[in-house]
Amino acid sequence: DQQVKQNSPSLSVQEGRISILNCDYTNSMFDYFLWYKKYPAEGPTFLISISSIKDKNEDGRFTVFLNKSAKHLSLHIVPSQPGDSAVYFCAASGWTEYGNKLVFGAGTILRVKS
Amino acid sequence: DAGVIQSPRHEVTEMGQEVTLRCKPISGHNSLFWYRQTMMRGLELLIYFNNNVPIDDSGMPEDRFSAKMPNASFSTLKIQPSEPRDSAVYFCASSFTLLRGGRGEQYFGPGTRLTVT
Repeated sequence: DQQVKQNSPSLSVQEGRISILNCDYTNSMFDYFLWYKKYPAEGPTFLISISSIKDKNEDGRFTVFLNKSAKHLSLHIVPSQPGDSAVYFCAASGWTEYGNKLVFGAGTILRVKS
Repeated sequence: DAGVIQSPRHEVTEMGQEVTLRCKPISGHNSLFWYRQTMMRGLELLIYFNNNVPIDDSGMPEDRFSAKMPNASFSTLKIQPSEPRDSAVYFCASSFTLLRGGRGEQYFGPGTRLTVT
């Protein structure tokens, strides 16, 4: 049972336009939601996060929106740049007595065309 | 800090052979995670350790997989015997969590690409 779903395997966007990556989750107990970015032959790196008590977090060209009632979050990249081409993973953070545990989605491949 | 270190970066082996993947977490981190990346399932959590103790190994696919963390600076993931379906990229990640309230950010190593022929 996948608790975090990224239903779009890939997305292609023109340079300068907006990229919107989507993510759905099932467990309302998650505390934080994180987005990771992964380039080929590298490990995922943290990009941006949002607390479950917020509905928006912005960092430069990157904004994450959270809709708790719909159990949905999205990452907006404006404007998109060729260097943004990567795999983007959505992750949900849940607390256990042994610390935080992340549950990842399957990832979305973003291609930004110049 | 050098970040999370994994070795080898690439491993090619024949079916039936034993494979050992190694990980050195970031100094001071108290949790270590092993993931497997596949096209179909994305990043799957295999096992995680907290303060060197295995906490949840429910993601380990079969008894052929085992993991150890003998000390705070070293962990291994072993596959014995290996099979072609084990071919994937294996990531190690570490984090530091003391109290509830943080986002639980994990820092990933570069991964080991395993090919079993």
